[in-house]
Amino acid sequence: DAKTTQPPSMDCAEGRAANLPCNHSTISGNEYVYWYRQIHSQGPQYIIHGLKNNETNEMASLIITEDRKSSTLILPHATLRDTAVYYCIVRGFQGAQKLVFGQGTRLTINP
Amino acid sequence: NAGVTQTPKFQVLKTGQSMTLQCAQDMNHNSMYWYRQDPGMGLRLIYYSASEGTTDKGEVPNGYNVSRLNKREFSLRLESAAPSQTSVYFCASSERASSGNTIYFGEGSWLTVV
Repeated sequence: DAKTTQPPSMDCAEGRAANLPCNHSTISGNEYVYWYRQIHSQGPQYIIHGLKNNETNEMASLIITEDRKSSTLILPHATLRDTAVYYCIVRGFQGAQKLVFGQGTRLTINP
Repeated sequence: NAGVTQTPKFQVLKTGQSMTLQCAQDMNHNSMYWYRQDPGMGLRLIYYSASEGTTDKGEVPNGYNVSRLNKREFSLRLESAAPSQTSVYFCASSERASSGNTIYFGEGSWLTVV
């Protein structure tokens, strides 16, 4: 699976959009980009995933660059409950049973 | 909709004792997984079951055994617990063990071995 790079920490004001970047420059054509978050050692919570196109669901939007080497997770109106560690994961056919969690980005939403 | 349910939530064991962590999912998923997470670290795959009747080792299988009891249930057994197995254990499931199928996690089981 391709390696991902995320900033270790970010801050965002409550009510503003939180934009979390992820670099995955070695991604291959059949690998998906997944985003999970973990709130203080609770179970990882699935947020969104995509292959090539931008995706949106009730939680977030995922913007993948045309060359697929990077992506951005957007939480449109961040709340205090969005404070968590966010993980960007690239997942391919080989070893698809395994999610490789890196260090993630610790997002803090400030009042 | 409960999703993935794990029991027990907390457990303290003495070195050498055995125990089984239970996991059940109600999403009719074919694939199930056991991960562990140590403090400040990412999750590591212990074992997984791609479908009922099959199990395979993950990254860190030593000291553990698993049983896929039926499509819903996947248990993890520690035969002789060691302090190095102190960790948070997460069970997970997905429709299939393929890259386009989302993996959903339970809330975790906190295990301390003294």
